[in-house]
Amino acid sequence: RKEVEQDPGPFNVPEGATVAFNCTYSNSASQSFFWYRQDCRKEPKLLMSVYSSGNEDGRFTAQLNRASQYISLLIRDSKLSDSATYLCVVTGASGGSYIPTFGRGTSLIVHP
Amino acid sequence: ETGVTQSPTHLIKTRGQQVTLRCSSQSGHNTVSWYQQALGQGPQFIFQYYREEENGRGNFPPRFSGLQFPNYSSELNVNALELDDSALYLCASSFKASANEQYFGPGTRLTVT
Repeated sequence: RKEVEQDPGPFNVPEGATVAFNCTYSNSASQSFFWYRQDCRKEPKLLMSVYSSGNEDGRFTAQLNRASQYISLLIRDSKLSDSATYLCVVTGASGGSYIPTFGRGTSLIVHP
Repeated sequence: ETGVTQSPTHLIKTRGQQVTLRCSSQSGHNTVSWYQQALGQGPQFIFQYYREEENGRGNFPPRFSGLQFPNYSSELNVNALELDDSALYLCASSFKASANEQYFGPGTRLTVT
């Protein structure tokens, strides 16, 4: 089983739709969690951190479920500009340092 | 813009050669991490440098090595290049060793022929 797993998609949704992605992780001792967005042939950019209490930033909501070992990202009222690959990152302690592990990303295509 | 810069942007090398990639971290950040991203995959963690010391390493062979300088800029060196080393190499800077958010540079696209 991979350490961090994401459905690669693509998720093909119309403008205005609500779409949700999940990301599962295998290391129960993982400590911090993030969602990044990556546009084609560009670098990843931090979208949001994920906390146990959940967090919301405008149309984006991230949740962490430690019991089931997954994080989620919900996008409401999708825009054309939301089309991108969404990468989850899980960071766990290893030998005194923190090792971040990226999922392979979920591709989102928002169409008119 | 994150303020993280990388050079060069593109590079073509031959199998067996050596390459050095460079990264300048964002102002105020003392930690640099390096990643390899193959097409269609997520970034794979190579290693991290914190205050000029290696502070964590992923599953990469010793021919991948690095340095961090007193100004927190960093180099990634790859010896004995293989065809599978062709990828986008990303560096990311953060404040303190990395349970924190990271900010990525634009990457160096390396092609090994």
